[in-house]
Amino acid sequence: DTAVSQTPKYLVTQMGNDKSIKCEQNLGHDTMYWYKQDSKKFLKIMFSYNNKELIINETVPNRFSPKSPDKAHLNLHINSLELGDSAVYFCASSPDVSQPQHFGDGTRLSIL
Amino acid sequence: RKEVEQDPGPFNVPEGATVAFNCTYSNSASQSFFWYRQDCRKEPKLLMSVYSSGNEDGRFTAQLNRASQYISLLIRDSKLSDSATYLCVMTPFSGGYNKLIFGAGTRLAVHP
Repeated sequence: DTAVSQTPKYLVTQMGNDKSIKCEQNLGHDTMYWYKQDSKKFLKIMFSYNNKELIINETVPNRFSPKSPDKAHLNLHINSLELGDSAVYFCASSPDVSQPQHFGDGTRLSIL
Repeated sequence: RKEVEQDPGPFNVPEGATVAFNCTYSNSASQSFFWYRQDCRKEPKLLMSVYSSGNEDGRFTAQLNRASQYISLLIRDSKLSDSATYLCVMTPFSGGYNKLIFGAGTRLAVHP
């Protein structure tokens, strides 16, 4: 009965590869988010979707492309991975744009 | 200047101690404030919202001072299980969208 689930939990890959991280929530929430937590532990928002529509797009390289096929899913595709992309990526969801967010347990991405 | 600043700690306290963390923010138009808790290698979890009138949840008390632009978290009767990183979080004035801005966190270690 996981609320916000991300796959994979760990991802180790080489520089230059393309990879995707998937996120699904079974809470019936309208809004979903992607955050990045780097090695200094700073959590920063990357994207947010409300009812499949992009509402927040922070200054993120366009190698990162989110996709929301329906409001229960928000996937993150990353092209041409770089060393600096190594981080923990957290997905989150909230009932709407003004409610507290529930986080998934993160995807640890390591670039070799 | 960072939007949200916290003392990284660590705060090392014995069980039963009272400990307080402060956090300052730079955007005077910030709308909402929260404390999140993050255990090592886990996702952030909402601990409590912070209101101008101050609010309490069991052993935890949160305060907001808009004039001085800081929020605080007081933990009474510390337990070993309180050991974690405490994240100060706010939402800026951004058209109502729930973009969480995180501080880097304050580490608390409670010892026997």
